[in-house]
Amino acid sequence: DTGVSQDPRHKITKRGQNVTFRCDPISEHNRLYWYRQTLGQGPEFLTYFQNEAQLEKSRLLSDRFSAERPKGSFSTLEIQRTEQGDSAMYLCASSNGQGIVEQFFGPGTRLTVL
Amino acid sequence: GDSVTQMEGPVTLSEEACLTINCTYTATGYPSLFWYVQYPGEGLQLLLKATKADDKGSNKGFEATYRKETTSFHLEKGSVQVSDSAVYFCALRANNLFFGTGTRLTVIP
Repeated sequence: DTGVSQDPRHKITKRGQNVTFRCDPISEHNRLYWYRQTLGQGPEFLTYFQNEAQLEKSRLLSDRFSAERPKGSFSTLEIQRTEQGDSAMYLCASSNGQGIVEQFFGPGTRLTVL
Repeated sequence: GDSVTQMEGPVTLSEEACLTINCTYTATGYPSLFWYVQYPGEGLQLLLKATKADDKGSNKGFEATYRKETTSFHLEKGSVQVSDSAVYFCALRANNLFFGTGTRLTVIP
């Protein structure tokens, strides 16, 4: 399968714990995006990378959140000191090139914070 | 700021019925507009897009026309099938993608 993959697919954690998610984009896609989707809502943009550079961060991305894409390939999203309000589906997408190009989405990681 | 307002659901239709899901947007400049679909258990997929006013996007029998005068991008299909049951998201792209809240469509035989 050459689509966007995310790991894990599900994560249950206790409040206050740290969690890390991984996203593997489609090979050679230079742009990688993170979104958050809560129940009954559409995805909300968090941040994106072009190659290894993080070019934009949403105000939704508080200082407890950090994302990296160290080699311009896979990316990780870490949430520190999780809160119940962090419970959501975290989606990753990738695209190739600049401008208005299609973003290909992964299946998401569902986070539940108890 | 940029935003998308999407028809609330859920929508339940009989097979072969006509579908319209309304979508209006607010944006500065001239965004590109998209419809994404999420089938049960699957990730978001691009259904169709339009990049400028009066463009019509179409795919799998679905159509949507970019109407600048009414700031709308309504999704239509003349005859739905059971396999069209999914959640549909309208989205606009200025710098980044802004999604609507989604409309769940269920088509019954």
